[in-house]
Amino acid sequence: EDKVVQSPLSLVVHEGDTVTLNCSYEVTNFRSLLWYKQEKKAPTFLFMLTSSGIEKKSGRLSSILDKKELFSILNITATQTGDSAVYLCAVGEGGTASKLTFGTGTRLQVTL
Amino acid sequence: DAGVIQSPRHEVTEMGQEVTLRCKPISGHDYLFWYRQTMMRGLELLIYFNNNVPIDDSGMPEDRFSAKMPNASFSTLKIQPSEPRDSAVYFCASSFGVNYGYTFGSGTRLTVV
Repeated sequence: EDKVVQSPLSLVVHEGDTVTLNCSYEVTNFRSLLWYKQEKKAPTFLFMLTSSGIEKKSGRLSSILDKKELFSILNITATQTGDSAVYLCAVGEGGTASKLTFGTGTRLQVTL
Repeated sequence: DAGVIQSPRHEVTEMGQEVTLRCKPISGHDYLFWYRQTMMRGLELLIYFNNNVPIDDSGMPEDRFSAKMPNASFSTLKIQPSEPRDSAVYFCASSFGVNYGYTFGSGTRLTVV
């Protein structure tokens, strides 16, 4: 059975700190790994990673994939209270399938 | 672009009643997904469609759940009869092809009492 495991489950940091969120996976036919941010409502797309070692960056957020060790990290530098959310990792399977298997998420709280 | 539109936003129903959730995907997207989110199990894929055809319904919990996509702009997820354990947030998402991230709707929070 495909599995996506995120750690830590939850995290509380002070504004300005840097955080690293982890995602490990076991899937039969890996195609891509995606990160989403979920605040009060729907998850919103952050990054899609398909190749090892290539960092994706958007502002203070960055992510990298290691296909050999089967994990990805999401870094957030200079955290702000607006970064408080649940961060979801999802893995897409290969072939013609498009379904994503999600981890249960890391709940990040950024305090003043 | 209005995004993925789901209705209703909230639904409270009594056990045994029929519930129908609705979704309008983004125009031009050829994949549509129904997910269920609970605290215990996170986001679980129930079923997905490609070009209106159901591709994988292995996540549908049991025969009480059914989904249809009669055309490219509309899908329904029906639960009959509903049970308290069906209480969850149900998300619809759509995508264009297999190489892009999904866009999620705002979800329907279902409470079965």
